[in-house]
Amino acid sequence: AQTVTQSQPEMSVQEAETVTLSCTYDTSESDYYLFWYKQPPSRQMILVIRQEAYKQQNATENRFSVNFQKAAKSFSLKISDSQLGDAAMYFCAYRREYGGSQGNLIFGKGTKLSVKP
Amino acid sequence: DAGVTQSPTHLIKTRGQHVTLRCSPISGHKSVSWYQQVLGQGPQFIFQYYEKEERGRGNFPDRFSARQFPNYSSELNVNALLLGDSALYLCASSLRSRGVTEAFFGQGTRLTVV
Repeated sequence: AQTVTQSQPEMSVQEAETVTLSCTYDTSESDYYLFWYKQPPSRQMILVIRQEAYKQQNATENRFSVNFQKAAKSFSLKISDSQLGDAAMYFCAYRREYGGSQGNLIFGKGTKLSVKP
Repeated sequence: DAGVTQSPTHLIKTRGQHVTLRCSPISGHKSVSWYQQVLGQGPQFIFQYYEKEERGRGNFPDRFSARQFPNYSSELNVNALLLGDSALYLCASSLRSRGVTEAFFGQGTRLTVV
């Protein structure tokens, strides 16, 4: 069974600084996607960034970038120039593709990010 | 455009009762999934529906059931509620059931069982 592990229950960063959130996963599949979701106190899950496993190039979305190490099964999120609005729970998630169909999302336990002014 | 809408936003039920949660996907989205998020944990998959057919089921007891209607909206039903069913129930919709397609989440229904 696939699993997703986030080893940092809480992280803190100073405004304008850079922070990296860790995620490791376990799978025997070759075709899958990895995601980082943000969940602010409003509860709504918001997609931050997505990485296709077949792509070697790390995904980037403005201040957010990932370090995808497929062999090590590692998928970390780097937030640059942190802003107060980045404070939230961050969830790493895995989704496999099989038979042309999309599997369900498997989430880690989350990392609570605090941003200090 | 309206996002994924869930109703009600909050709900308090007594042990043994039944509950129905509702989800309206983004217009044009045919796939709906349900997740349970217990406090302090990541969401856990319950069901996925696509074109009114069940495409996946998580490790939840038979007390949990769901269905998708012709307009792609969905209901999650939970019978014989237990205290442990207290959680945030999230609905996610996506355009289709395969390929690179983003799941959009609603704000969830907070269920408290007393």
